[in-house]
Amino acid sequence: SQQGEEDPQALSIQEGENATMNCSYKTSINNLQWYRQNSGRGLVHLILIRSNEREKHSGRLRVTLDTSKKSSSLLITASRAADTASYFCATASRISGNTPLVFGKGTRLSVIA
Amino acid sequence: DGGITQSPKYLFRKEGQNVTLSCEQNLNHDAMYWYRQDPGQGLRLIYYSQIVNDFQKGDIAEGYSVSREKKESFPLTVTSAQKNPTAFYLCASSISAGSSYNEQFFGPGTRLTVL
Repeated sequence: SQQGEEDPQALSIQEGENATMNCSYKTSINNLQWYRQNSGRGLVHLILIRSNEREKHSGRLRVTLDTSKKSSSLLITASRAADTASYFCATASRISGNTPLVFGKGTRLSVIA
Repeated sequence: DGGITQSPKYLFRKEGQNVTLSCEQNLNHDAMYWYRQDPGQGLRLIYYSQIVNDFQKGDIAEGYSVSREKKESFPLTVTSAQKNPTAFYLCASSISAGSSYNEQFFGPGTRLTVL
């Protein structure tokens, strides 16, 4: 039951450009989380945005959340080759914290030096 | 040095064999999870445990089994009933019950290949 759907599936940009990835979901959420996965590795948590928040920043990352459209975006500014990875959104149900996170299929980002 | 460890990193299995993947955490987290990831795909939840001696099936539990006898450990057994077990397996943990409200910490993964 994958709820988050990332868009685009793959993105290729030049170093220094900004990268924007989108996530859409279907039901009411408590929070939405973004994770990063380098090839062949585990996921690393990047940022969590709660349903009552509209925007959050962490370093070069900017996350927005629009609960009326059931969508979120992750912006990476001034991208670097080291940002090359897959990025996943995950949603936490508003109904119960005991319901596990649901992950999307991810966006594969390639940053070309 | 806190974190989650998974072993082995690579595992090869003959058809018809059961294999057990190890997952250990020293973060004092209550909740632990097992995910399966196929190439180019997202994560699918196999089993999760919110507390010791309790666990629940995820979306794709058939052919897998788990135990949670200790807080630190959540081993996953891939049984011969799992028809297509070749995949990348990820273990994760989270601090407490109501755990989906918190971030998950992931291990480095085990790549299982059936020969």
